[in-house]
Amino acid sequence: SAVISQKPSRDICQRGTSLTIQCQVDSQVTMMFWYRQQPGQSLTLIATANQGSEATYESGFVIDKFPISRPNLTFSTLTVSNMSPEDSSIYLCSVGINEQFFGPGTRLTVL
Amino acid sequence: GENVEQHPSTLSVQEGDSAVIKCTYSDSASNYFPWYKQELGKRPQLIIDIRSNVGEKKDQRIAVTLNKTAKHFSLHITETQPEDSAVYFCAASKRRDDKIIFGKGTRLHILP
Repeated sequence: SAVISQKPSRDICQRGTSLTIQCQVDSQVTMMFWYRQQPGQSLTLIATANQGSEATYESGFVIDKFPISRPNLTFSTLTVSNMSPEDSSIYLCSVGINEQFFGPGTRLTVL
Repeated sequence: GENVEQHPSTLSVQEGDSAVIKCTYSDSASNYFPWYKQELGKRPQLIIDIRSNVGEKKDQRIAVTLNKTAKHFSLHITETQPEDSAVYFCAASKRRDDKIIFGKGTRLHILP
């Protein structure tokens, strides 16, 4: 199993600003994933973060808007840049070991 | 890329009855099909999964079936209980440690 923590757990931000979300896992993993879950919706994959290489983004998501860092095998950050109210969502990181484990999520509200 | 369709979006069943949720996927390279339960305000929790070399898997009141030829898979919950009320997501992936593509979810209501 894996224990995943995220910081912050929630934040309220002004439009035009940026927020960096941290994800820490208690074991070394090759791939970490970032998802977005808008209110009442399903989880949408933003990108896959591999250590030592650039993240791989899904259709509709770009690096300029969602830059990702993966400095080591237990940590990753996702930045939501130049935020608008449409970015209000829960952002979750996950890791795959024998199954996918999800972090508790970061609830972002953009005013 | 992979696309996962899930039906119904909402399902209400009497307590004690069975619930069935159906999904289809598009990518024939998908080999791993997990099901998640998400309660309000909580992260998704894996409840059961199935690999493409297996047609059916059961865990107590929960079972999953897979028809790889038709690219269909289904979740069956028997003897439903109030605590089964939640949102259920089907998903597809190439491997257990790979990215997961989710269906849109089914909100299950268990009626007393």
